[in-house]
Amino acid sequence: SQQGEEDPQALSIQEGENATMNCSYKTSINNLQWYRQNSGRGLVHLILIRSNEREKHSGRLRVTLDTSKKSSSLLITASRAADTASYFCATVFNAGGTSYGKLTFGQGTILTVHP
Amino acid sequence: DAGITQSPRHKVTETGTPVTLRCHQTENHRYMYWYRQDPGHGLRLIHYSYGVKDTDKGEVSDGYSVSRSKTEDFLLTLESATSSQTSVYFCAISEQGPVQDQPQHFGDGTRLSIL
Repeated sequence: SQQGEEDPQALSIQEGENATMNCSYKTSINNLQWYRQNSGRGLVHLILIRSNEREKHSGRLRVTLDTSKKSSSLLITASRAADTASYFCATVFNAGGTSYGKLTFGQGTILTVHP
Repeated sequence: DAGITQSPRHKVTETGTPVTLRCHQTENHRYMYWYRQDPGHGLRLIHYSYGVKDTDKGEVSDGYSVSRSKTEDFLLTLESATSSQTSVYFCAISEQGPVQDQPQHFGDGTRLSIL
């Protein structure tokens, strides 16, 4: 399966600390995306990193991609209670030369930030 | 928030009954998707559409059909619901396909219980 695997499954930290979540995948990708899901809500897109990029930043978020290791990490700096959510990585690979590709999600990391 | 409305938001029905879920978008995006989210499986793609009357199967399409007669509406039908189809269903949209480095925008989901 192409599905990304997040690690850890659950992470509990205090406000102000940094949170790091990792994602590993199995085959070559076109891009990798991170999403956040608050309880009872839909997923919200956070950041997309292309296969030829190594690092991207967005506010307090930093994403790295290591295609040689087939892995990515999401760092949230100076976490807040409002960052409490599930975080998913999703990979895109183009099987069979179609123009569509497929977005495949991992099972997510549950982040709890304590005030 | 992206203009995506899913209806109904909650539904309880009995095994063997037909069920139709509706996704309506106001963004005029070409691509629309239906996912289901289950504990231990993350999000899995059921069907997707790349234009009016253009649809294709995803990872878990058995027991589901879709239709898209207008750009703004994407319907998911369970012809004869089974208990294994109890899940939270999410609709998503994107301007272009995943290989074009496009994020997906999600609705808030429909919680479906089949007794």
